Amino acid sequence: QSVLTQPPSVSAAPGQKVTISCSGSSSNIGNNYVSWYQQLPGTAPKLLIYENKKRPSGIPDRFSGSKSGTSATLGITGLQTGDEADYYCGTWDSSLSAGVVFGGGTKLTVL
Amino acid sequence: QITLKESGPTLVKPTQTLTLTCTFSGFSLSTNGVGVGWIRQPPGKALEWLALIYWDDDKRYSPSLKSRLTITKDTSKNQVVLTMTNMDPVDTATYYCAHRPPPGIMRFDPWGQGTLVTVSS
Repeated sequence: QSVLTQPPSVSAAPGQKVTISCSGSSSNIGNNYVSWYQQLPGTAPKLLIYENKKRPSGIPDRFSGSKSGTSATLGITGLQTGDEADYYCGTWDSSLSAGVVFGGGTKLTVL
Repeated sequence: QITLKESGPTLVKPTQTLTLTCTFSGFSLSTNGVGVGWIRQPPGKALEWLALIYWDDDKRYSPSLKSRLTITKDTSKNQVVLTMTNMDPVDTATYYCAHRPPPGIMRFDPWGQGTLVTVSS
């Protein structure tokens, strides 16, 4: 069971908007920056969002991130079939069991 | 351009020790703030962080696997090595290494292509 909680799946039609939530606690999301990763089928994860809302070079502005309290959200607008992938949130956990923690992943289906 | 590539056995027997090597280019592990991490992913399952080594040789391990893991670096060879002892079939997974850029905010970018390790007798 993952430390961070994500919905197992979300779906939306092409061109629509979707959001993916990531819920944690004060020891992780509440006091640390959140990153988001996109994993296309059969490939390695790729950094999508870091420091809650920043996009690495080359990531389109259709992808956005936000954080409030102990939860974070990834937003994707103008959905494309190429966005079908698994999405993971990640952060540092500052508890006694300190380390990097990830969410359980969310499968995005573009209908 | 930063690249990383994992190498090691594709098949190990239960109780054996797994040794994986991450060979990278495009950055130096002697640069202040840089790190390299290991993350694994069992087939069809979520990502699980294993270990992280920093430029100053500070090492961090997953609490649940700490007793079985050792991470080391060879700065001159641009390599990071992860060993995991007492392998079990549940350790079957794709193992990734990834670059942790400076400064101190935790993120991995980019990742290696991953290497699938199967644990079976």
